[in-house]
Amino acid sequence: KAGVTQTPRYLIKTRGQQVTLSCSPISGHRSVSWYQQTPGQGLQFLFEYFSETQRNKGNFPGRFSGRQFSNSRSEMNVSTLELGDSALYLCASSRTSGTNEQFFGPGTRLTVL
Amino acid sequence: GESVGLHLPTLSVQEGDNSIINCAYSNSASDYFIWYKQESGKGPQFIIDIRSNMDKRQGQRVTVLLNKTVKHLSLQIAATQPGDSAVYFCAENTPLDSNYQLIWGAGTKLIIKP
Repeated sequence: KAGVTQTPRYLIKTRGQQVTLSCSPISGHRSVSWYQQTPGQGLQFLFEYFSETQRNKGNFPGRFSGRQFSNSRSEMNVSTLELGDSALYLCASSRTSGTNEQFFGPGTRLTVL
Repeated sequence: GESVGLHLPTLSVQEGDNSIINCAYSNSASDYFIWYKQESGKGPQFIIDIRSNMDKRQGQRVTVLLNKTVKHLSLQIAATQPGDSAVYFCAENTPLDSNYQLIWGAGTKLIIKP
């Protein structure tokens, strides 16, 4: 069974631009969560989607948004990029929402110049 | 807000010895705890989990201990191997705004000395 895939793996943007990251969960998994990971920090929860609905949201500004499609694939968007948005963005999928083992993708490394 | 923290940011262990990675959590209402391992260039990988109604759970070469009295969680790795080199994260599933959310610790880097 294929694992969680994320595209692109690496991305370089400049301040003020916007970016869209994509995540394909494991087949059969309906929940997708997004995390931001920066050096020296743990994973910061962004949001969770389940059956195309946002179920949970972390403490991030409205510039960070996401969505989920009917095939469970998910995208997250960051508008008006700031230098501090440079991070590894991780996507994790699980069978259902809530307390559940999550399977992580390799992440998208975003660098904002 | 509630937080999960780690006592040691870096832990160096001799190959073959046992490793113990500690984690403190602050929300006594958290009902589930997970340990993840993240190797360089990869996403976190699930190691073991434990529910709040248990105090010990064992896996293959790993044991998680939960002490709810002092809100402490530990991961024990037996006979540490070079492949165990990674950053280890604990996470707690905590109630937040009528839902539950996984709150992650900052991580402990495990270094294996030959």
